[in-house]
Amino acid sequence: NAGVTQTPKFQVLKTGQSMTLQCAQDMNHEYMSWYRQDPGMGLRLIHYSVGAGITDQGEVPNGYNVSRSTTEDFPLRLLSAAPSQTSVYFCASSYLQGYEQYFGPGTRLTVT
Amino acid sequence: SQQGEEDPQALSIQEGENATMNCSYKTSINNLQWYRQNSGRGLVHLILIRSNEREKHSGRLRVTLDTSKKSSSLLITASRAADTASYFCATSGAGSYQLTFGKGTKLSVIP
Repeated sequence: NAGVTQTPKFQVLKTGQSMTLQCAQDMNHEYMSWYRQDPGMGLRLIHYSVGAGITDQGEVPNGYNVSRSTTEDFPLRLLSAAPSQTSVYFCASSYLQGYEQYFGPGTRLTVT
Repeated sequence: SQQGEEDPQALSIQEGENATMNCSYKTSINNLQWYRQNSGRGLVHLILIRSNEREKHSGRLRVTLDTSKKSSSLLITASRAADTASYFCATSGAGSYQLTFGKGTKLSVIP
């Protein structure tokens, strides 16, 4: 099993550009989530999904969109990138919400 | 939102010593989890302790939970240089089940 995969690993965007961060898991997990990690801030939940077709907002959802058309994939879209979105983004999945989460390797995003 | 707060923020010890990290939280939980993050990597789940458990062991790891004090501790015994990493506690809220992470403790184990 590949576990949780994320692409790309690194990305540089200009302010105003849009892009999609990809996340996929092959463990048949129902729950998937996106976090951002900033220095001194820990991990903050952006959006999450409890199953295909169901998504909800986390702590810091503004500027991001998600969709969950399949169990395996959970892409994160940045609508109009801003410097404040410079961060490391992690996707995670788990069998059930609130239990052991498996994390991807992260995407380091810089917005100039 | 409730959040685990780790203490200390940074810890430096010699190889072979024990490392203790603490986590405090604010509201009722379903469970509390500890994760490790090596520099530049994703988080790795270490251990989960449910709200009705007081202590749990996994290899060299020992976790305690005191729900009356809303606190938990992670003990790593006989530390190794490979234990150098950041350690995060995460609480799963009673009812909401969302995981909320603390800011982490950075552990350095000196060979």
